[in-house]
Amino acid sequence: TQLLEQSPQFLSIQEGENLTVYCNSSSVFSSLQWYRQEPGEGPVLLVTVVTGGEVKKLKRLTFQFGDARKDSSLHITAAQPGDTGLYLCAGEANFNKFYFGSGTKLNVKP
Amino acid sequence: ETGVTQTPRHLVMGMTNKKSLKCEQHLGHNAMYWYKQSAKKPLELMFVYSLEERVENNSVPSRFSPECPNSSHLFLHLHTLQPEDSALYLCASSQDRLGTDTQYFGPGTRLTVL
Repeated sequence: TQLLEQSPQFLSIQEGENLTVYCNSSSVFSSLQWYRQEPGEGPVLLVTVVTGGEVKKLKRLTFQFGDARKDSSLHITAAQPGDTGLYLCAGEANFNKFYFGSGTKLNVKP
Repeated sequence: ETGVTQTPRHLVMGMTNKKSLKCEQHLGHNAMYWYKQSAKKPLELMFVYSLEERVENNSVPSRFSPECPNSSHLFLHLHTLQPEDSALYLCASSQDRLGTDTQYFGPGTRLTVL
């Protein structure tokens, strides 16, 4: 089993604060994806990282894939209430198989 | 209508009922998926269809029966479910069954088994 652990499980912060959430595993992944899921909706893909050490930016969101391709982090700068949601990471291993983490539930208070 | 749609959005059923979940994608994709999302657990892949053929079945109990009549529609037939089957059931589609293809998810069906 390709276990992905996400931390923290829950995070409640004030608007304007910065935060980082983590996705860790002992397994190596050929790629890793981050999704955001809002209440009553399905997950929406934010980014895919494929190269060890890769950093991708999406406006205020910065994604990093670990050098060994076993872990990843998502950093949000100046969080806004619209960032509220469940953040899921998913690692690809064993050709086309994706393994999801349990997610980090983020609440950004105005 | 665009994207991936699922009906019904909410379903309450008894353990002896038979019901079906429907998924429809308007994206021209060739691969479709059923996932189960339970509270505090990782998203679990249940079934994968590629070009209307089932290519993956991840040890799912036989009380869940998928059907893919064409590349745009996917069903999940349910019967004699257990309370622990209560969860959000998500459908997704992608262009092909490749790891690099983006999966587009529907809004899910919230299932409660009494």
